[in-house]
Amino acid sequence: QQPVQSPQAVILREGEDAVINCSSSKALYSVHWYRQKHGEAPVFLMILLKGGEQKGHDKISASFNEKKQQSSLYLTASQLSYSGTYFCGTDAGGTSYGKLTFGQGTILTVHP
Amino acid sequence: SAVISQKPSRDICQRGTSLTIQCQVDSQVTMMFWYRQQPGQSLTLIATANQGSEATYESGFVIDKFPISRPNLTFSTLTVSNMSPEDSSIYLCSVEGGSAEDTQYFGPGTRLTVL
Repeated sequence: QQPVQSPQAVILREGEDAVINCSSSKALYSVHWYRQKHGEAPVFLMILLKGGEQKGHDKISASFNEKKQQSSLYLTASQLSYSGTYFCGTDAGGTSYGKLTFGQGTILTVHP
Repeated sequence: SAVISQKPSRDICQRGTSLTIQCQVDSQVTMMFWYRQQPGQSLTLIATANQGSEATYESGFVIDKFPISRPNLTFSTLTVSNMSPEDSSIYLCSVEGGSAEDTQYFGPGTRLTVL
């Protein structure tokens, strides 16, 4: 079953923060976050493994609440280059290891 | 991270024909995947292609329509057979990075238009 992302779209000014959520109804092994710009392939941002860890690099970080099967992507002090569609991909592990099910995407637009 | 290339990058095909898409990786990887992204939509897994075994297909996708080959650890092909306009999509291969963190990277994609 497809994870649910919220919000569907976000409009920001440079320097503002955003949070994108991803919620699954299934127990998860990992959550993957990608950014896709128009006409390009998805670019890997980070992976969260079960265990409830939080990760980050630069001004982008993410968390994974294993009990709730929810992950959030945090974008701080947004830059123009952050614009794009963000997808979470969930991996249930086990016999489904590596098979990602993607959310519907969140369109992020950053204005000067 | 793995460097992945796909051929062709785009193509326009006639209804009823077939197209074979190639995916080449610069390092040996065990797991390769094929995804479809229909216009304006999210990504949907078509099949898993592991070297030395038959590809496994997700619900809604069948081997007769999307035959896959995986002859070695750096290469795979996906064929879209007997195409119809509904097959117009971006087709992407991805590989599991082999690192301890199970990272998955995508190739640049093949943009297919069926007339």
